[in-house]
Amino acid sequence: EDQVTQSPEALRLQEGESSSLNCSYTVSGLRGLFWYRQDPGKGPEFLFTLYSAGEEKEKERLKATLTKKESFLHITAPKPEDSATYLCAVQASTGGFKTIFGAGTRLFVKA
Amino acid sequence: DTGVSQDPRHKITKRGQNVTFRCDPISEHNRLYWYRQTLGQGPEFLTYFQNEAQLEKSRLLSDRFSAERPKGSFSTLEIQRTEQGDSAMYLCASSSRQGVGETQYFGPGTRLLVL
Repeated sequence: EDQVTQSPEALRLQEGESSSLNCSYTVSGLRGLFWYRQDPGKGPEFLFTLYSAGEEKEKERLKATLTKKESFLHITAPKPEDSATYLCAVQASTGGFKTIFGAGTRLFVKA
Repeated sequence: DTGVSQDPRHKITKRGQNVTFRCDPISEHNRLYWYRQTLGQGPEFLTYFQNEAQLEKSRLLSDRFSAERPKGSFSTLEIQRTEQGDSAMYLCASSSRQGVGETQYFGPGTRLLVL
């Protein structure tokens, strides 16, 4: 069964303290892996889509990488406004477009 | 176009009542998804449509839940005989195929509280 596990559940950083979030996945052929940011009480906001192992994408202080078993979201010199829940999701290449989300990592960045 | 919209944003109902939520996707998007999210969890897939066809439903989805997408435009999600366990945020997303994959864009959600 397709599965997504994110770690850690919560991460507390000081402003400027770089770190990484992990997303481990099990899927019967990967169509795409997605990263979203979600603020409290709001819908998820799209960040990145990764399609194949070795692929990397960057946006401001965020960089997403992908291997055959996991993805990392690297946060460089975070700011308090980066505080949010970061969600990882996968779609399998077999079958339809069902999307499986992880439980998310709650990031707190303190000034 | 301002993105995916959902209505209402909040709904409080009594146990046993029926509720209906509406989602208006981004106009050129042909796929529409419904998810349910509870506190501290990621969105849980419920169902998705390609145009007006409902192509997949979660095995976890009770028979009390039904979704429609007439004419392939807006969609409605109805919950019959609501239970307290139905309290959650209901999220809608839409997408269109781009290259080998797709990007789903989410609406703001409808927060349901069943008393």
